[in-house]
Amino acid sequence: DAKTTQPNSMESNEEEPVHLPCNHSTISGTDYIHWYRQLPSQGPEYVIHGLTSNVNNRMASLAIAEDRKSSTLILHRATLRDAAVYYCILDQTGANNLFFGTGTRLTVIP
Amino acid sequence: AAGVIQSPRHLIKEKRETATLKCYPIPRHDTVYWYQQGPGQDPQFLISFYEKMQSDKGSIPDRFSAQQFSDYHSELNMSSLELGDSAMYFCASSLERSIPFFGPGTRLTVL
Repeated sequence: DAKTTQPNSMESNEEEPVHLPCNHSTISGTDYIHWYRQLPSQGPEYVIHGLTSNVNNRMASLAIAEDRKSSTLILHRATLRDAAVYYCILDQTGANNLFFGTGTRLTVIP
Repeated sequence: AAGVIQSPRHLIKEKRETATLKCYPIPRHDTVYWYQQGPGQDPQFLISFYEKMQSDKGSIPDRFSAQQFSDYHSELNMSSLELGDSAMYFCASSLERSIPFFGPGTRLTVL
């Protein structure tokens, strides 16, 4: 399975932007990049996904490097409710059988 | 909007017993995924179904089996339970194997 590498933890001040990096140097041309987050005691929650172009939705933005070997999830204004573990996942199967790695635990400081 | 429903939400079993977890996908979704998340661990993919057929298999133990029924709900059957099976079990559903949406999970405790 193609691997992703994320920092174990990050901190952000409330109402500031957050950039969560992900490295996926062995990504292949058809692998989609997915981001999910998991709040305490809840199931994973879909955040955003993309293939080659940068993507925006109401929750976040996804910036994908030109060589696709890395990507960055951008939360434009962190709130306390954004404190969660963020997972960067590659879908290699084309069927969204997502294999979670070790994500980034985001702490938001009031 | 309707979400994935899982039942029961909590389940306590003894070692060597059996357990059945149920998942009701979002209406019109035809794909179901099962995940296991042990304490302090990341979710692990177990198995998935698309249009009532097994689609892919992950790290599902041989003691576990699952199926998807004609109404698209799915059941995960676990036999000969072990202490190490204590975990959260999440079900996710999607339409035609697109983006999965997760349910609230079932907490299984094996004593």
